[in-house]
Amino acid sequence: ELKVEQNPLFLSMQEGKNYTIYCNYSTTSDRLYWYRQDPGKSLESLFVLLSNGAVKQEGRLMASLDTKARLSTLHITAAVHDLSATYFCAVVMYSGGGADGLTFGKGTHLIIQP
Amino acid sequence: NAGVTQTPKFQVLKTGQSMTLQCAQDMNHNSMYWYRQDPGMGLRLIYYSASEGTTDKGEVPNGYNVSRLNKREFSLRLESAAPSQTSVYFCASIGTGYNEQFFGPGTRLTVL
Repeated sequence: ELKVEQNPLFLSMQEGKNYTIYCNYSTTSDRLYWYRQDPGKSLESLFVLLSNGAVKQEGRLMASLDTKARLSTLHITAAVHDLSATYFCAVVMYSGGGADGLTFGKGTHLIIQP
Repeated sequence: NAGVTQTPKFQVLKTGQSMTLQCAQDMNHNSMYWYRQDPGMGLRLIYYSASEGTTDKGEVPNGYNVSRLNKREFSLRLESAAPSQTSVYFCASIGTGYNEQFFGPGTRLTVL
């Protein structure tokens, strides 16, 4: 059974600081996804990481993937209030018929205070 | 191009009532999914359809049925709603290559 664990689950930080969210998963997968969710909204895709060593950056967010360690990180640089949201990582499993859907972590609720 | 659409956006049911949640995508995707989201639980897969005419159970299928009506539409049915099915339901689809999964806006369901 595929398990995905995020930590921390809750994070309060000040604007201007840096921090990292960690995502561990239990079995081999070649795709890892990061999503953002604002309260009462749907999920917004941030990054899709496709291979070992993949690194992607968008603004103040940078995601990386280490498939050997089964670990992905989402790094926030010089946080601003607009980044306050819940962040999810997810991993896809494949069967012979295609993708079985995503298994999600429980999410990291991020609050960035002025 | 509307992406993934869901109806209704909100619904309140009484225990034992039935209803169908509708989902459609206009991106010509083969694979479609239904998830539920509960506080502190992340999203959990209910059912999925890898292609038109096929459906498979996910992590939490009990109490639900699905129909892949055609390539565009994938519906989720609650035959006899229970309070434990109070949740937010998201439909999603993914294209070939599985590079990005697109989510609908969600249906907020309350079962009294």
